[in-house]
Amino acid sequence: EGQLVQSGAEVKKPGESLRIACEGSGYSVTNYWIAWVRQMPGKGLEWMGIIYPDDSDTRYSPSFQGQVTILVDKSISTVYLQWSSLKASDTAMYYCARLSSWYVGGYYSYAMDLWGQGTTVTVSS
Amino acid sequence: DIVLTQSPGTLSLSPGQRATLSCRASQSVSSRSLAWYQQKLGQAPRLLIYGASIRATGIPDRFSGSGSETDFTLTISRLEPEDFAVYYCQQYGSSRGTFGGGTKVEIK
Repeated sequence: EGQLVQSGAEVKKPGESLRIACEGSGYSVTNYWIAWVRQMPGKGLEWMGIIYPDDSDTRYSPSFQGQVTILVDKSISTVYLQWSSLKASDTAMYYCARLSSWYVGGYYSYAMDLWGQGTTVTVSS
Repeated sequence: DIVLTQSPGTLSLSPGQRATLSCRASQSVSSRSLAWYQQKLGQAPRLLIYGASIRATGIPDRFSGSGSETDFTLTISRLEPEDFAVYYCQQYGSSRGTFGGGTKVEIK
């Protein structure tokens, strides 16, 4: 089945850097894409980007390209989301999620079937 | 990017009633890449439906998905108290995904 465990809540000041973590276990972590999803306070879900741990292939949503970096250390089954200079508008809950595929009726279907518990990031002066 | 528009924004219903949630795409979406999620307050989202109509493991059969191309529907046949939550559709294609804005199903 597996689980994704995220690092704890963070409180930072504007301009500071930050890296939050998502550790996978109970499944073959290197063989599944991991996505990061943002949820700003009281708002909906936003797809940020995705990484394939085995080869670090990374794809970003245009809205987040250049704003964040997604990294992986496959030796410890951990994916990271990193900021070099935080802004107040980065205040949000961040989820990691595993992208799984199912072969049904002759084609593959994709969806996020395993989620981390979320990491709250607060950026305030 | 493909834009997903969910309607209504809020659905006020009573337990036992039927809920019909809509997700409309700005361009044709492969059915195999359309999913629905449930999110309760303070919790991570949970996968309900993938491939537009296939229930994920452990999801009760009162949840069903349908649709194709640009119009998709999530139906909850008889609302249980634990079904009052926010529901999101999501599509995945070309290594990129987008979510709809969500529909809140609230107790009337």
